[in-house]
Amino acid sequence: TQLLEQSPQFLSIQEGENLTVYCNSSSVFSSLQWYRQEPGEGPVLLVTVVTGGEVKKLKRLTFQFGDARKDSSLHITAAQPGDTGLYLCAGDSALQTGANNLFFGTGTRLTVIP
Amino acid sequence: SQTIHQWPATLVQPVGSPLSLECTVEGTSNPNLYWYRQAAGRGLQLLFYSVGIGQISSEVPQNLSASRPQDRQFILSSKKLLLSDSGFYLCAWRVGPTRDTGELFFGEGSRLTVL
Repeated sequence: TQLLEQSPQFLSIQEGENLTVYCNSSSVFSSLQWYRQEPGEGPVLLVTVVTGGEVKKLKRLTFQFGDARKDSSLHITAAQPGDTGLYLCAGDSALQTGANNLFFGTGTRLTVIP
Repeated sequence: SQTIHQWPATLVQPVGSPLSLECTVEGTSNPNLYWYRQAAGRGLQLLFYSVGIGQISSEVPQNLSASRPQDRQFILSSKKLLLSDSGFYLCAWRVGPTRDTGELFFGEGSRLTVL
């Protein structure tokens, strides 16, 4: 099982602040996805990164895939209360197993205080 | 459009009782299907995945089993529940068969409490 560690585990910040969430692994992934999950619901995809070093922006969210495709980061600028939720990274295991599976990180619980 | 449903949404069961969670997908054919379990506020643990009818792969040894009797139906079962089986169970599907990266679509989740 591929292990994806996220840090920090919990993050509580004031509205308007910036933050970065990290997703690290010793395994190489063919691609990596970021999801956000609301309480009592399933996760919803935010972005997919495929190329080492790739940077994608989604409004105030910036996602980066590490050059070696072992890690990723999510940066939020000027956080808003609507950003509150559980952020999950997920690595595609195709390189290791040949199967089209996603292994999820340990999660980062973000709370943005108005 | 594609939809995914799982039920029941909430379940409270005594230790040693059986379990059956059902998941169905509509609007697509031959999807890859997954069962994940999530501890409170944490990441998702992949339990089972299936690339076709009757084809089940298990990621972790456990007290649970899965079956795929039809193309768009995925069932999670247990003969005797343990306290450690409590959690939030999520069914998901993905376009298959393919090695390309695709979005994972999740059901609404089933919260299981074993007492």
